[in-house]
Amino acid sequence: DAKTTQPPSMDCAEGRAANLPCNHSTISGNEYVYWYRQIHSQGPQYIIHGLKNNETNEMASLIITEDRKSSTLILPHATLRDTAVYYCIVRVAYNTDKLIFGTGTRLQVFP
Amino acid sequence: KAGVTQTPRYLIKTRGQQVTLSCSPISGHRSVSWYQQTPGQGLQFLFEYFSETQRNKGNFPGRFSGRQFSNSRSEMNVSTLELGDSALYLCASSGGQNTGELFFGEGSRLTVL
Repeated sequence: DAKTTQPPSMDCAEGRAANLPCNHSTISGNEYVYWYRQIHSQGPQYIIHGLKNNETNEMASLIITEDRKSSTLILPHATLRDTAVYYCIVRVAYNTDKLIFGTGTRLQVFP
Repeated sequence: KAGVTQTPRYLIKTRGQQVTLSCSPISGHRSVSWYQQTPGQGLQFLFEYFSETQRNKGNFPGRFSGRQFSNSRSEMNVSTLELGDSALYLCASSGGQNTGELFFGEGSRLTVL
């Protein structure tokens, strides 16, 4: 699976959009981009995933560049409860649920 | 519906002992995977089971083993515990359609003294 690079930490004011970048320059054509987050002392939580088109769900939006070498997770109106470590993961969607987690981005939402 | 349940939530063992951790997946989920989380190594994949068969295995020594039962519940076992095995052990389940959407439990925190 392709490696990902994320900034170690970011801050965001409550109510503002949080834009979390991820670089995956070695991604292959059949590899998906997944985002998970882990709130302190809890198990990771699935947020969203995509292949090449932008995706949106009730939690977030995922913007993937046209060359697919990077993506951005957008939390449109960050709240204090969004403070967590966010993991960007690239995986091939074949016969496994195996995920390779990197070090992630620690997002701190402040009042 | 109930989420992924892991037991016990906390446990303390001494070096050389063995431990068994249990995971009950979401009802209807047939795939269970296990992860180890430590401050130094982060989240690392241990193994994955689907329909009682190990489908994938991470890079861990043979002291780490697991199994899945016919009701999809899973257990993992660590024998001859070492101090470095102290970690949060997370179990995740999925419907088995390989969507990559895993549902994690809250983990079992193991401390080895």
